[in-house]
Amino acid sequence: DTAVSQTPKYLVTQMGNDKSIKCEQNLGHDTMYWYKQDSKKFLKIMFSYNNKELIINETVPNRFSPKSPDKAHLNLHINSLELGDSAVYFCASRGGTVNTEAFFGQGTRLTVV
Amino acid sequence: AQSVAQPEDQVNVAEGNPLTVKCTYSVSGNPYLFWYVQYPNRGLQFLLKYITGDNLVKGSYGFEAEFNKSQTSFHLKKPSALVSDSALYFCAVRDGNTGFQKLVFGTGTRLLVSP
Repeated sequence: DTAVSQTPKYLVTQMGNDKSIKCEQNLGHDTMYWYKQDSKKFLKIMFSYNNKELIINETVPNRFSPKSPDKAHLNLHINSLELGDSAVYFCASRGGTVNTEAFFGQGTRLTVV
Repeated sequence: AQSVAQPEDQVNVAEGNPLTVKCTYSVSGNPYLFWYVQYPNRGLQFLLKYITGDNLVKGSYGFEAEFNKSQTSFHLKKPSALVSDSALYFCAVRDGNTGFQKLVFGTGTRLLVSP
């Protein structure tokens, strides 16, 4: 059973399009994250939700909008895609106590052409 | 704000030799420290963590890490490297006192173990 699953795994799209990436976790965790990994492999936190509430919102263009319909899901919608949005996007989840580790999905490789 | 530094882009070691991947951190409160490994085209896998207690932490696949508060370091170690250990390793920190939800990663160190 996949603990944190993302769909799609690969996404190729044209500039200006709108796309969504879905994430689901079956671990019963309260907190979920979106991270962006660029071409140099740098990992940068984008958003975090705790029990469907946004708690971290880093300096991310407002073309990126996370949505958490319930605490098991955290989707990422991107409007007006740009070339610079090409990256691997990782979803992660974590249990409620402060000393727990995060579990990561397999990533979604987004390529904007 | 918390931060992590991994000073080496790449570490090369021969199979069977000990390996060390360096990490230093900066937090205002108590540090919660983590190591993750990433294999090509895969997500991040958790290796080990330091929360409190014994400074030497043991984790998956024979890896261990030593927490050093005075040097603000959390170096990853393994006594005998395997070719299959070749991967990208990330150190991460969370501030236990403030911003405890935010997990900040270092820039990663590529480990290359030669046969």
